[in-house]
Amino acid sequence: DGGITQSPKYLFRKEGQNVTLSCEQNLNHDAMYWYRQDPGQGLRLIYYSQIVNDFQKGDIAEGYSVSREKKESFPLTVTSAQKNPTAFYLCASRSPQGGNTGELFFGEGSRLTVL
Amino acid sequence: DQQVKQNSPSLSVQEGRISILNCDYTNSMFDYFLWYKKYPAEGPTFLISISSIKDKNEDGRFTVFLNKSAKHLSLHIVPSQPGDSAVYFCAASGGSQGNLIFGKGTKLSVKP
Repeated sequence: DGGITQSPKYLFRKEGQNVTLSCEQNLNHDAMYWYRQDPGQGLRLIYYSQIVNDFQKGDIAEGYSVSREKKESFPLTVTSAQKNPTAFYLCASRSPQGGNTGELFFGEGSRLTVL
Repeated sequence: DQQVKQNSPSLSVQEGRISILNCDYTNSMFDYFLWYKKYPAEGPTFLISISSIKDKNEDGRFTVFLNKSAKHLSLHIVPSQPGDSAVYFCAASGGSQGNLIFGKGTKLSVKP
């Protein structure tokens, strides 16, 4: 089945540690995205990538880093510089046929808790 | 500055009645609007969309209305079912990148 797989689903981290969230898709989508959701908040864009080896900062990129070495993979690293990393993280991809108006397909999310 | 606003954090409706979820936007460059449904601890799933050249789009029990002059859209669910209980996000896109801007969501509770 085609889809987006995020791992791990739950992750605990001590303050000061970096952590990497995995996102893999087998939908053959060019564009991939990372969003963050906090209680009572909408989805806020962290980083996005329109094509392999290229990515752009979103609205809240500080304290995060990404890479896009393969079309299928778009890992997100939450660094120790992120002041409030406890959140629900969502990875998404967009169909190339949709152009700029295609809907996003989301993974199941990863919940990060900083202890 | 919120470009997409969902002013009602929650909505409670009786099963079988109509649910109306509202969304306002400020950016007149937005040309495509979407609604997503989200259950707890899951990723959002696409529900329905509408282009700015239309004022209505219907898919089964779900209808989205767009009023461009008022910069307002709404999602109607008729009849509402308990399984519709979820958080609904309104999203808008426009411009060359087409990134989606999401509202804060409205939690819909449909009571049997």
